[in-house]
Amino acid sequence: DGGITQSPKYLFRKEGQNVTLSCEQNLNHDAMYWYRQDPGQGLRLIYYSQIVNDFQKGDIAEGYSVSREKKESFPLTVTSAQKNPTAFYLCASNPTFRDRDQPQHFGDGTRLSIL
Amino acid sequence: EDKVVQSPLSLVVHEGDTVTLNCSYEVTNFRSLLWYKQEKKAPTFLFMLTSSGIEKKSGRLSSILDKKELFSILNITATQTGDSAVYLCAVVQGGSEKLVFGKGTKLTVNP
Repeated sequence: DGGITQSPKYLFRKEGQNVTLSCEQNLNHDAMYWYRQDPGQGLRLIYYSQIVNDFQKGDIAEGYSVSREKKESFPLTVTSAQKNPTAFYLCASNPTFRDRDQPQHFGDGTRLSIL
Repeated sequence: EDKVVQSPLSLVVHEGDTVTLNCSYEVTNFRSLLWYKQEKKAPTFLFMLTSSGIEKKSGRLSSILDKKELFSILNITATQTGDSAVYLCAVVQGGSEKLVFGKGTKLTVNP
């Protein structure tokens, strides 16, 4: 079945460590997004990518980095510069960046905690 | 500053009740408004609204948009325990195509 796969489901980070969250989609979607969700909060956009080899900062990009070397994959690295990384991270995609009729669909998320 | 405000933040009802969830927005370059249902993991898509006054319906759920007053409502009739979830409202911002989310309404339906 087509969908968005995020891994791992749970991740623990030590102080000063970089960690990478995986997001893979087999939907042939052009656009991909990373969001962060804190308890009692809505989703906030970290980074997004409209096309391979291109990506843009969202509202809370500091302390994060991404790459988009393949259409199917949009990994997110949480660097040691992100001082409060504990959150639920969601990856989303939709077919074309400017397609009005297609809402974003989400993966099942990765829950990141600090050790 | 762009913002989406949902109310109430939390709601507890009994099975069979009807509920109305509210979403107001102030977002530059509005393109459309989306409703999602989030249980334990990924938000699942419910409705996309782009035009005022046209009700979208799916089973016991319905939603409508008022672009003049800048709000949307999500109605759930004859609620069931399976409707318990966080309901998220988001506005698609034209140009950037970013989603601006509200904080969500946590609905609990008791048997």
